[in-house]
Amino acid sequence: NAGVTQTPKFQVLKTGQSMTLQCAQDMNHEYMSWYRQDPGMGLRLIHYSVGAGITDQGEVPNGYNVSRSTTEDFPLRLLSAAPSQTSVYFCASRDSGANVLTFGAGSRLTVL
Amino acid sequence: EDKVVQSPLSLVVHEGDTVTLNCSYEVTNFRSLLWYKQEKKAPTFLFMLTSSGIEKKSGRLSSILDKKELFSILNITATQTGDSAVYLCAVVGANAGKSTFGDGTTLTVKP
Repeated sequence: NAGVTQTPKFQVLKTGQSMTLQCAQDMNHEYMSWYRQDPGMGLRLIHYSVGAGITDQGEVPNGYNVSRSTTEDFPLRLLSAAPSQTSVYFCASRDSGANVLTFGAGSRLTVL
Repeated sequence: EDKVVQSPLSLVVHEGDTVTLNCSYEVTNFRSLLWYKQEKKAPTFLFMLTSSGIEKKSGRLSSILDKKELFSILNITATQTGDSAVYLCAVVGANAGKSTFGDGTTLTVKP
């Protein structure tokens, strides 16, 4: 069981560059979400999806785009990276009938 | 907007001590409250609480929910150094697609 797979695990970007964080799950979960975690803080919701073709904004969506073309994949795009986006990013998924999230291992992003 | 407040933000104890972590929340149409443990990697699930007054227990950890006063506590008895972690509280409300997290409590257990 792969669970939730995030790539890359580490990434360094320069200000203004764009990139995509990949997230894939093999549990046929309907709900997927992206969180960021800054030092000393909890998880803040960036974007989430309740099914293929359906996405919505969370608490901190600015500077990020998502799409959900399949049940399995939920990529997060940084359009023009800024130092304020330096963070650890977690992708998570869950079945619509359950409330327990399964998390990926995280992606540490540094923007210089 | 859903809100979760955890206290204390950090706690340092010695092995063998008992600790109580607090989580208060505001949520529209409460569905569930969840506790996760995070040890320098991804959070892992501890408990899910949906009904008031029913204690969930797993070894030295236990948790209970008060839906009238809108809070939950996580107790850890006879703490061990392996309990050192960030403990996160989250709620799921009317929008079932969203889980809202608090800032976490960082627990450090010293030998």
